[in-house]
Amino acid sequence: EPEVTQTPSHQVTQMGQEVILRCVPISNHLYFYWYRQILGQKVEFLVSFYNNEISEKSEIFDDQFSVERPDGSNFTLKIRSTKLEDSAMYFCASSENWGSSGHIDTGELFFGEGSRLTVL
Amino acid sequence: TQLLEQSPQFLSIQEGENLTVYCNSSSVFSSLQWYRQEPGEGPVLLVTVVTGGEVKKLKRLTFQFGDARKDSSLHITAAQPGDTGLYLCAGEGNAGNMLTFGGGTRLMVKP
Repeated sequence: EPEVTQTPSHQVTQMGQEVILRCVPISNHLYFYWYRQILGQKVEFLVSFYNNEISEKSEIFDDQFSVERPDGSNFTLKIRSTKLEDSAMYFCASSENWGSSGHIDTGELFFGEGSRLTVL
Repeated sequence: TQLLEQSPQFLSIQEGENLTVYCNSSSVFSSLQWYRQEPGEGPVLLVTVVTGGEVKKLKRLTFQFGDARKDSSLHITAAQPGDTGLYLCAGEGNAGNMLTFGGGTRLMVKP
């Protein structure tokens, strides 16, 4: 069964360092997302991406964050200068279509297993 | 800002018992999704409800979307130890797949 894969599974970094989290979405999917979950808190939306552009972003996704699809398969999240509060599990997701309400069979989000980021 | 309140946060029951998890908001959602998340893994979609008043069944799990599309419930009949896990509701707003998640219900079913 096709799946979203993420690397690394766990990264430890020093505050102020740049971090790149990588994701390989499902191959026929066109919409890509990053969500994060701080330990003990809710899963939060960061950004959605389609056609090489950001579609939506939350207030969490400030200038320190960027996303890129550098080739036909990878989707990356870069944090330019990490802060302690960036420590979280970061989930990549992809979907074939945009929104479940209009595309109930193809709007489903498939999540990766997550990348745990620890900022010291 | 849309918020989803999920209750209860924790639930520990015996095998064979029934349970209901609630997801409530003051906001209207275009769809409501229920996920299950295992430790060390991402959320996995169980069901999507779209129409107000809609009821969907998945074996022993029954999902309902409120008439006003502001709330939802998950009912499990005759719970089994294999149902143990974290259940998340997530609402889809008008901006497509920018999901708002509830805080989750951690269910433990004891044999």
